[in-house]
Amino acid sequence: GAVVSQHPSWVICKSGTSVKIECRSLDFQATTMFWYRQFPKQSLMLMATSNEGSKATYEQGVEKDKFLINHASLTLSTLTVTSAHPEDSSFYICSARVWGEDGYTFGSGTRLTVV
Amino acid sequence: KQEVTQIPAALSVPEGENLVLNCSFTDSAIYNLQWFRQDPGKGLTSLLLIQSSQREQTSGRLNASLDKSSGRSTLYIAASQPGDSATYLCAVDTGRRALTFGSGTRLQVQP
Repeated sequence: GAVVSQHPSWVICKSGTSVKIECRSLDFQATTMFWYRQFPKQSLMLMATSNEGSKATYEQGVEKDKFLINHASLTLSTLTVTSAHPEDSSFYICSARVWGEDGYTFGSGTRLTVV
Repeated sequence: KQEVTQIPAALSVPEGENLVLNCSFTDSAIYNLQWFRQDPGKGLTSLLLIQSSQREQTSGRLNASLDKSSGRSTLYIAASQPGDSATYLCAVDTGRRALTFGSGTRLQVQP
């Protein structure tokens, strides 16, 4: 089946630095990629929707200047957490839908810890 | 706004038991409903997808049902095994092109 490769799987960074998370669609083109965030023992909450070649659409309450999303090609979407703070520590996961198929394919997630 | 609720939040059962996980959603205008499994610190594994026109789907020991009019879905796990221990999430597709997730049921199967 369709696979979304997400890297890194975990990262620890210092407060104030930036972290980039990549999601690549393998063997299919993802015109749209969805980015979710999951805090401990909570469910996944949609942060933003990225479309290839255009600006991302952010959910209410998500700072677009802090969470930079780039979807420059049909197989790669990136999420950059800028000037990270401890409260940004969370599990970030991307998802895409394969054209012509039902359901969504998810990346393996990135555990971000800001110290 | 679509809201998805899962009951119970946590469940611990002895190995071999049959169990039912519940999911409810507030807006019945859905395209499909998907059940996922999530292991600690890991991504999501799709278990079953039910189209809005379907009543149930089966895969091995798993059976998922959907009653769209009442806004409910159940995931039935037969003959549970310790390897089934994980968090189970249900999610609905309402056509916004993103899923709305429930908060999950954390299942532990005791050997």
